[in-house]
Amino acid sequence: GESVGLHLPTLSVQEGDNSIINCAYSNSASDYFIWYKQESGKGPQFIIDIRSNMDKRQGQRVTVLLNKTVKHLSLQIAATQPGDSAVYFCAETPPGGTSYGKLTFGQGTILTVHP
Amino acid sequence: GAGVSQSPSNKVTEKGKDVELRCDPISGHTALYWYRQSLGQGLEFLIYFQGNSAPDKSGLPSDRFSAERTGGSVSTLTIQRTQQEDSAVYLCASSSGGYNSPLHFGNGTRLTVT
Repeated sequence: GESVGLHLPTLSVQEGDNSIINCAYSNSASDYFIWYKQESGKGPQFIIDIRSNMDKRQGQRVTVLLNKTVKHLSLQIAATQPGDSAVYFCAETPPGGTSYGKLTFGQGTILTVHP
Repeated sequence: GAGVSQSPSNKVTEKGKDVELRCDPISGHTALYWYRQSLGQGLEFLIYFQGNSAPDKSGLPSDRFSAERTGGSVSTLTIQRTQQEDSAVYLCASSSGGYNSPLHFGNGTRLTVT
């Protein structure tokens, strides 16, 4: 079946280091991908998105890379801070243009940033 | 309001009782979604509203689950005859509905069925 998954369930880094969170997806027809951050007791917070016609997109301290050849998505966080500690989810949307909010989420990666 | 608001934030109910969960989307957002997040799991799509109609209800787990939206704004998710496996965090999200418009989530309602 179609699914979105993560290579690493947990990631621990030191404050100031760069973090890379990876995600594999299986639906080669998916055309829109999103990264969300979820802190304890809160809903997922939008971080950055990317369309399938792009391979890189940058935001503030974050970069998303898309490799369609191997169906791989990654989130890079520069100069990671303790406030970045959270669960990070990747999500994909099916093609078709009718239900772009019908996201398929990965299981999540727990990022812990040590001071 | 500034964001998606959900109430109650926590709900404890006895097995067999009915519950109603409320969602106030961001003003002006035409699209509204309900998701469910079980402990340690990812998010599971339940239902999608565009305006007051629900073109996609494919994620509702059983006929005990229903949802409605009125006035293109507030939505209510109702679970009848709750079961213990219904225990989860129920998340509501809204978007402007445009192409590539990201979902903005509320903080969810944590439902515990005893």
